Amino acid sequence: GAVVSQHPSRVICKSGTSVKIECRSLDFQATTMFWYRQFPKQSLMLMATSNEGSKATYEQGVEKDKFLINHASLTLSTLTVTSAHPEDSSFYICSAIGRDGSSYNSPLHFGNGTRLTVT
Amino acid sequence: QKEVEQDPGPLSVPEGAIVSLNCTYSNSAFQYFMWYRQYSRKGPELLMYTYSSGNKEDGRFTAQVDKSSKYISLFIRDSQPSDSATYLCAMSVVRDDKIIFGKGTRLHILP
Repeated sequence: GAVVSQHPSRVICKSGTSVKIECRSLDFQATTMFWYRQFPKQSLMLMATSNEGSKATYEQGVEKDKFLINHASLTLSTLTVTSAHPEDSSFYICSAIGRDGSSYNSPLHFGNGTRLTVT
Repeated sequence: QKEVEQDPGPLSVPEGAIVSLNCTYSNSAFQYFMWYRQYSRKGPELLMYTYSSGNKEDGRFTAQVDKSSKYISLFIRDSQPSDSATYLCAMSVVRDDKIIFGKGTRLHILP
């Protein structure tokens, strides 16, 4: 089945540094990728939607200069948390939709998430 | 009022029991309804999706949608300890578009 790989699975960084998270679709071309953030015992909150080759669309309240998204190819999207602070500590999950939208068996394939801890 | 409401639980039931998980929503424009299962520290895994009102069955899982009441349910028959996870309902207005998730219900199946 379709697989979305997310890397790293866990990262600890110091306050003020930047962290890059990669999201790859391994066996399909992802025309659209979504980035979510999930706090403990909370639901997934959509941060932004990215389409290959175009600028990401950010949800209200999400700082685009802080959370930089690059969807440079049909198989790779990256999220960079710039100048990270402890309040950015969270679980970040990406998801992707394949080019062939006719199959709705898996409308959204999720990565396994990245747990970011900012000290 | 939030767009999607889901009781966070936790919900504990004995092994073999029938589990009922529910969500309500306020946006009548939602057309696509999904249920995801999420194990601790993992990404969500799609269990069921439905478009129309009514029931859809897949193995031990049955998804039910009542658009008139803006209410969806997921039933798990013959529950097993491996079903212990967080179950998230999700819905969207347009296929392959932004999906709104419920908070998730933590389910514990007691052996």
